[in-house]
Amino acid sequence: AQKVTQAQTEISVVEKEDVTLDCVYETRDTTYYLFWYKQPPSGELVFLIRRNSFDEQNEISGRYSWNFQKSTSSFNFTITASQVVDSAVYFCALSERNSGYSTLTFGKGTMLLVSP
Amino acid sequence: SAVISQKPSRDICQRGTSLTIQCQVDSQVTMMFWYRQQPGQSLTLIATANQGSEATYESGFVIDKFPISRPNLTFSTLTVSNMSPEDSSIYLCSAIQGHGYTFGSGTRLTVV
Repeated sequence: AQKVTQAQTEISVVEKEDVTLDCVYETRDTTYYLFWYKQPPSGELVFLIRRNSFDEQNEISGRYSWNFQKSTSSFNFTITASQVVDSAVYFCALSERNSGYSTLTFGKGTMLLVSP
Repeated sequence: SAVISQKPSRDICQRGTSLTIQCQVDSQVTMMFWYRQQPGQSLTLIATANQGSEATYESGFVIDKFPISRPNLTFSTLTVSNMSPEDSSIYLCSAIQGHGYTFGSGTRLTVV
C-alpha cells in the first residue's frame, strides 16, 4: 500500500530564511505521481507541483524548488527567502493506480510558520 | 484544469441534523472524490464517486452516514447525516483530470 511520510510536524523560521520540507514515500508501483499542496488558514488546497515517477529533474519556480530522488524515495520542497505569506500547512501526496483509477494519499502535513 | 465550486463554505449545525455539501465542476469529469480533514489532521478519503454508479467507500466510512450522489459528470453531493461533534471537520471534494487533481474550496463544518 502507498504511504507518504512528512516527519516534520511544524517548522518555525524567520522571514528570509530558507526552509526545506521533507517528504518520503512508499509505493510498489513503477508509475506514480507526487504532489505538493499548500493549505493556508482559509482551508483551501492550493496546488503547487506534480511530478511523475519518470522525471527526476529538479524543478524551480520562483522561490520554490523541488528535489526528487527516486533512490531515497524522497520529494523535498525548499522555499528560498521565506516570507510571512508562506505560512501555511504543506502537504505532500502520492497518486498511484488502484483498481483502474488513481487515488491520492496525503502525508500528515507540515505546518510552516514564518515570522517577521 | 477543472474549477470546482463548493458550497456551503462553512456551517454550524445542531447535533442530530444533516448537512448536504454540493460541488459543481466547470467541466465533465469521470471521477470525483470526497475527503474529510479533522482539526489539525491530514486529508482522509471518504469515498470515490463515479457517475451512474454507487460510490465506493473507504474503510471506516459508510453510506448511511455519508450518502453521496453523482447525478451527472459535473456535480456531486455529500451528506453528513445525524451529525455529532465528532463530525466537525473540513470536507473537500476533488476531481481528477488525467493525473491532475483539483479541489473545491472546502466546507468547514462545526457541529454543536
